[in-house]
Amino acid sequence: AQTVTQSQPEMSVQEAETVTLSCTYDTSESDYYLFWYKQPPSRQMILVIRQEAYKQQNATENRFSVNFQKAAKSFSLKISDSQLGDAAMYFCAGGTSYGKLTFGQGTILTVHP
Amino acid sequence: GAGVSQSPRYKVAKRGQDVALRCDPISGHVSLFWYQQALGQGPEFLTYFQNEAQLDKSGLPSDRFFAERPEGSVSTLKIQRTQQEDSAVYLCASSPTSGGGQETQYFGPGTRLLVL
Repeated sequence: AQTVTQSQPEMSVQEAETVTLSCTYDTSESDYYLFWYKQPPSRQMILVIRQEAYKQQNATENRFSVNFQKAAKSFSLKISDSQLGDAAMYFCAGGTSYGKLTFGQGTILTVHP
Repeated sequence: GAGVSQSPRYKVAKRGQDVALRCDPISGHVSLFWYQQALGQGPEFLTYFQNEAQLDKSGLPSDRFFAERPEGSVSTLKIQRTQQEDSAVYLCASSPTSGGGQETQYFGPGTRLLVL
């Protein structure tokens, strides 16, 4: 079983600045994956970044990077050089070996011009 | 190529009615997932198909919920005798193979169900 917790219901950032979204998780799985998904107001969920739990190196995708602290069960998302198009609901999720996702409650990110 | 599509996009039902929600996954995708997303919440897993086989239905909230994928492509989520607590957005997602927790899931736009 997995649980995922996002403790920040809302966050805001100025355009071009950096923001970090927090996530903690708990799991009984030995083989698992962690994800950040973005859900813009149109509601189509889009993958932002993924992290394999067995990899120590933090994943990066252009302006998006994660800070994966396995012992602390923490998985935060850093968005650098924030853009207006980054405004959305962000979900942290844990995945099982076959793909079932457990989502957190979400963080609404507002980007101010 | 086309992404995951869902229909209808919006459905209003009277309490007690049956509804059927359709998901067209990306062509050739083996895995298909259904999630339920209440307003302002994260999606919650309902069920998982690998081709036509329903391998995990542990998230279905009651026996009023039934899902099928008879030919391993299109899937239908059926809710019988709808209740107000069934009001939510129902998301469908597909992924290319059966082998991967690491695989990207491609989500559809969802069906917003409102039960009056």
